[in-house]
Amino acid sequence: GQQLNQSPQSMFIQEGEDVSMNCTSSSIFNTWLWYKQDPGEGPVLLIALYKAGELTSNGRLTAQFGITRKDSFLNISASIPSDVGIYFCAGRTSGTYKYIFGTGTRLKVLA
Amino acid sequence: DARVTQTPRHKVTEMGQEVTMRCQPILGHNTVFWYRQTMMQGLELLAYFRNRAPLDDSGMPKDRFSAEMPDATLATLKIQPSEPRDSAVYFCASGPALNYGYTFGSGTRLTVV
Repeated sequence: GQQLNQSPQSMFIQEGEDVSMNCTSSSIFNTWLWYKQDPGEGPVLLIALYKAGELTSNGRLTAQFGITRKDSFLNISASIPSDVGIYFCAGRTSGTYKYIFGTGTRLKVLA
Repeated sequence: DARVTQTPRHKVTEMGQEVTMRCQPILGHNTVFWYRQTMMQGLELLAYFRNRAPLDDSGMPKDRFSAEMPDATLATLKIQPSEPRDSAVYFCASGPALNYGYTFGSGTRLTVV
């Protein structure tokens, strides 16, 4: 079946540093989504990507839809303590309404 | 802010009991999803609806789980009988269309003892 590999699984960074994470798929996707989940809450949509090569920003967050359509990247610039949480990617192939979620990247920011 | 409302937030029940979780999607959203989250399996899609019609429930154990949308403002997920392995956080999410990202509720944390 389809698999989404998300890396890294977890990371500790210093406040102010930039963060990069990525997601790779065994299938070609038509849509990529990036979510953030805080403890005890549901995931919150950060960025949605709809075209190969698309680069979209949301404040300090920037995400890209890989040109192979099998990967996506999320960057966070100048991290702050509230960036702590779990970041999930999700992707959808054509012909289906299902989004498959990655295993998540747990981000911890050291002040 | 528009939000997806899930009730109850927490549920503890004994094995064998029926459990019903409810979800109120955002007004105007015609696509509703049910997900289950566990440490081991991550976020798993259980079922989803479009315009109240079930499109896919292949992720649900058919013998004990059922999902319905009695009307556009209510989606339900039932487990009967519940088992300890059903312990997880169950999320409902809704969206305006199938190609767009969707909004998650805060989840129902289910514990079956």
